[in-house]
Amino acid sequence: GAVVSQHPSWVICKSGTSVKIECRSLDFQATTMFWYRQFPKQSLMLMATSNEGSKATYEQGVEKDKFLINHASLTLSTLTVTSAHPEDSSFYICSARRLTGSSSYEQYFGPGTRLTVT
Amino acid sequence: RKEVEQDPGPFNVPEGATVAFNCTYSNSASQSFFWYRQDCRKEPKLLMSVYSSGNEDGRFTAQLNRASQYISLLIRDSKLSDSATYLCVVTAGYSSASKIIFGSGTRLSIRP
Repeated sequence: GAVVSQHPSWVICKSGTSVKIECRSLDFQATTMFWYRQFPKQSLMLMATSNEGSKATYEQGVEKDKFLINHASLTLSTLTVTSAHPEDSSFYICSARRLTGSSSYEQYFGPGTRLTVT
Repeated sequence: RKEVEQDPGPFNVPEGATVAFNCTYSNSASQSFFWYRQDCRKEPKLLMSVYSSGNEDGRFTAQLNRASQYISLLIRDSKLSDSATYLCVVTAGYSSASKIIFGSGTRLSIRP
């Protein structure tokens, strides 16, 4: 089956630094990828929709200058958390969509990246 | 109002019991519906899609009521391995850019 990978799976960084998270679709091309954030005991909250070759669409309340998204190829999207603060500590999950027909698709999730900002 | 709302849980039931979860969605234009399962500190994984006619997969039965904008999941003969958080998921369309919206999840704990 389709696989989506994320790297790193776990990262600790100091406040004020930037962290880049990679999301790769390993055996299919994903024109659309999604980035989610999940705080403890809460559900996944969509942060942004990433389309290959164009600017990401951010959800309301998500700062685009703080969470930089780049979808440079059909198999790679990156999320950079700039000037990270402790409140950015969370579980970040990417998701890649594979079209299976003209009006159907399958959605696959990466294993997540746990970010801790100290 | 949240776009997708679920029973808050947690549900704590004995092994072998039948348990049901409910979910409501606010966007009447929603087209696709799913139940995902998420284990602690793991990514969500698709459990089953939900169709208008209702569908069953082994011990799991999903129902959709478009008129009431309501989705349900029934688990029969629950197993210890069913312990997880169950997420109700709704999408607004079929296009490749349609967003997937997650409910807050319902925690289920099966006790021996």
